Amino acid sequence: EDQVTQSPEALRLQEGESSSLNCSYTVSGLRGLFWYRQDPGKGPEFLFTLYSAGEEKEKERLKATLTKKESFLHITAPKPEDSATYLCAVHYISGTYKYIFGTGTRLKVLA
Amino acid sequence: EAQVTQNPRYLITVTGKKLTVTCSQNMNHEYMSWYRQDPGLGLRQIYYSMNVEVTDKGDVPEGYKVSRKEKRNFPLILESPSPNQTSLYFCASSFSLSPLHFGNGTRLTVT
Repeated sequence: EDQVTQSPEALRLQEGESSSLNCSYTVSGLRGLFWYRQDPGKGPEFLFTLYSAGEEKEKERLKATLTKKESFLHITAPKPEDSATYLCAVHYISGTYKYIFGTGTRLKVLA
Repeated sequence: EAQVTQNPRYLITVTGKKLTVTCSQNMNHEYMSWYRQDPGLGLRQIYYSMNVEVTDKGDVPEGYKVSRKEKRNFPLILESPSPNQTSLYFCASSFSLSPLHFGNGTRLTVT
């Protein structure tokens, strides 16, 4: 079954305490893996796209990496404003155009 | 400003009373999609559209209808809403293989 699994479900960090979020996927025909940030009551906002294994993208304190089975979102020295839910999504071809999301990781960064 | 606009933001209705949630995008995107977001279940795709007059079912289409008569608009129709359709709904759009742009959501309550 095609699926995307994110872990952990929730994560509490002290300000400055680096960590990583995981997104594992079991789809064939991957066309792209996307990371989004979602604040309460708002629509997800795009962070990164990764297309092939070995690819890495960085933005401020965030770095996304991709292997053939999973992606990591590394957060270096997080700040309270990084608190949000982080969503992973995969775009793949399975007879038709498919786009599925993981259930997200709720991140809370404490000052 | 490039955006996806959903209306209304909040809607409370009763079982069986037909309703429409509108979605409009100003980015000339071919692809548009509707998702519902429920606690613990993440974002699940209801319907999507690859272009004008081309729509297809997502993972949870039962009880919903859509239409795509114009490129910019993709309304979601609930012909006979039921309490299990109480949820947070998001419309999204993109170019092929590009990240999704999301609206700000519609919180629907069916009593």
